Amino acid sequence: EAQVTQNPRYLITVTGKKLTVTCSQNMNHEYMSWYRQDPGLGLRQIYYSMNVEVTDKGDVPEGYKVSRKEKRNFPLILESPSPNQTSLYFCASSQHGEGYTFGSGTRLTVV
Amino acid sequence: AQSVAQPEDQVNVAEGNPLTVKCTYSVSGNPYLFWYVQYPNRGLQFLLKYITGDNLVKGSYGFEAEFNKSQTSFHLKKPSALVSDSALYFCAVRDRGGTGGFKTIFGAGTRLFVKA
Repeated sequence: EAQVTQNPRYLITVTGKKLTVTCSQNMNHEYMSWYRQDPGLGLRQIYYSMNVEVTDKGDVPEGYKVSRKEKRNFPLILESPSPNQTSLYFCASSQHGEGYTFGSGTRLTVV
Repeated sequence: AQSVAQPEDQVNVAEGNPLTVKCTYSVSGNPYLFWYVQYPNRGLQFLLKYITGDNLVKGSYGFEAEFNKSQTSFHLKKPSALVSDSALYFCAVRDRGGTGGFKTIFGAGTRLFVKA
């Protein structure tokens, strides 16, 4: 089944403890992206990647890192999480010109 | 800079009536336009897209959208609403980003309530 797999689905962590949210797609898509969803703000793009080793900042990249060492994987790294990064995170992938396939989301709480 | 506006936080419509969810956009070049839907406790799903060609595009679940270049709008429509259409709808625009890539910007979302 064609899908984007994110893990974990839920995560509660403490301020400053490094964490990684994994994202993997099995559709050979070139384009991958991370978004955070907050009430009233819609989806805001954190980072995106056009292909392996090619990444670029979205609108809210501060406090996040990404890497694209393989085409299928696009992990999101929070080196030192803070409470304002509490949010619902979505990974998405697509081919150029096509709509996104989204992962199921990761609900992150930073206390 | 590109932007997307969904001017209505919420749209209410009776079942069987036509519905419209509005979207306007701003990009420097030719846009790729998309609509997505988010059902309660479920992920986001792609509904339809406009890249080029016919201004009226059809998508999933009986939805369609009309691209209007002069008004920079891409409104989502359905001729006859169903209660099961109640969800959160997002408009998105894709434009060329920094490293030759394509940033995709989403609107804040419009919540659709369809009453039986």
